[in-house]
Amino acid sequence: DSGVTQTPKHLITATGQRVTLRCSPRSGDLSVYWYQQSLDQGLQFLIQYYNGEERAKGNILERFSAQQFPDLHSELNLSSLELGDSALYFCASSATPPPGPKQFFGPGTRLTVL
Amino acid sequence: TQLLEQSPQFLSIQEGENLTVYCNSSSVFSSLQWYRQEPGEGPVLLVTVVTGGEVKKLKRLTFQFGDARKDSSLHITAAQPGDTGLYLCAGAEYSGAGSYQLTFGKGTKLSVIP
Repeated sequence: DSGVTQTPKHLITATGQRVTLRCSPRSGDLSVYWYQQSLDQGLQFLIQYYNGEERAKGNILERFSAQQFPDLHSELNLSSLELGDSALYFCASSATPPPGPKQFFGPGTRLTVL
Repeated sequence: TQLLEQSPQFLSIQEGENLTVYCNSSSVFSSLQWYRQEPGEGPVLLVTVVTGGEVKKLKRLTFQFGDARKDSSLHITAAQPGDTGLYLCAGAEYSGAGSYQLTFGKGTKLSVIP
């Protein structure tokens, strides 16, 4: 158990809909990262928040947005869903002292868009 | 955009055999990590290598970082069924204020047959 929790575990929805994925980081971790994992693209970094502020953006679509709340939990909002958005979505948290990053991943949310 | 190429994509071996998987980058990262991911779970960090030429051992797993810090290998001795999983390498880039951005390879899916 990494200490990172994600809900829901599975989500099935239709094209055009909007969903919200939730992540609670490990106690004390200020950074939250969101990733998308699909069979063809692998694990892709979407966005990072640090203590409530957006810190870095990766390959995140404009239809997707995220935020980190004062209690440090984070939500990833996916709207106008398309079939191609079906994937595993992971949240990771870290308290990253040098010499390198140590990100702890949650169990993921499997999103299926029908 | 920095890319990480992993090879082979798939590997199926008998219990007791040795194997090596490779991770090659088009450019230099500040550090490189290896993760293992099991079905239905998030990736779990195995090791971080930082210095060119570095070798780290974790029981039957040996990790090497190339001298130029652009490639890495993971060698497993006497593989066991419990080693089955998806092995991911990730390059880390420091993005300031204690934050790192990870770029993942697509992974090597290892099956160890009893």
